[in-house]
Amino acid sequence: QKEVEQDPGPLSVPEGAIVSLNCTYSNSAFQYFMWYRQYSRKGPELLMYTYSSGNKEDGRFTAQVDKSSKYISLFIRDSQPSDSATYLCAMFGGGGSNYKLTFGKGTLLTVNP
Amino acid sequence: DTEVTQTPKHLVMGMTNKKSLKCEQHMGHRAMYWYKQKAKKPPELMFVYSYEKLSINESVPSRFSPECPNSSLLNLHLHALQPEDSALYLCASSQQGTFDSPLHFGNGTRLTVT
Repeated sequence: QKEVEQDPGPLSVPEGAIVSLNCTYSNSAFQYFMWYRQYSRKGPELLMYTYSSGNKEDGRFTAQVDKSSKYISLFIRDSQPSDSATYLCAMFGGGGSNYKLTFGKGTLLTVNP
Repeated sequence: DTEVTQTPKHLVMGMTNKKSLKCEQHMGHRAMYWYKQKAKKPPELMFVYSYEKLSINESVPSRFSPECPNSSLLNLHLHALQPEDSALYLCASSQQGTFDSPLHFGNGTRLTVT
């Protein structure tokens, strides 16, 4: 079993839809959870960063962490064509080389006008 | 634009060339990272510098040589590369030590080895 599982998609939705992106993980040492957005030919951009279980909201984006189920989600409300990108979940533990940042495979999202 | 700046944006080099990739950040971050990313894959860790000291080398071949001249700069020296080394090379930084806080990435150098 891989440490982080993420459905690679591709995922295609109409403009205005609610998008749900998910990752599961197996390593209970992971404490910090991130979502990165990567446009084609660009570097990953940090979108959301959470530590504890629960929800964190930033504009149209909501990150959800359920440590008991080892499951994280990113919700995008009122999706826009500009949201079309690859979304990478990532996580790491409490610091140091034993808890490196581990990425999911990334989900390619297309929002159609 | 990101706060981690990488140059050049594109690089084409032959297998016998020597070139360098450069990365700069002015956020006061104390850890800096090199990642390699192939198409449709997540980034793969190569090296980490923490407080200007090499803290992680992910068994990267010696044809890749990192250097951290100061806390704001990170270089990756390239020599005798192979065509399979063609990839997007990403630099990242984080505020504290190794994997203690979220990583901020640059937009990368797209390297083609001919």
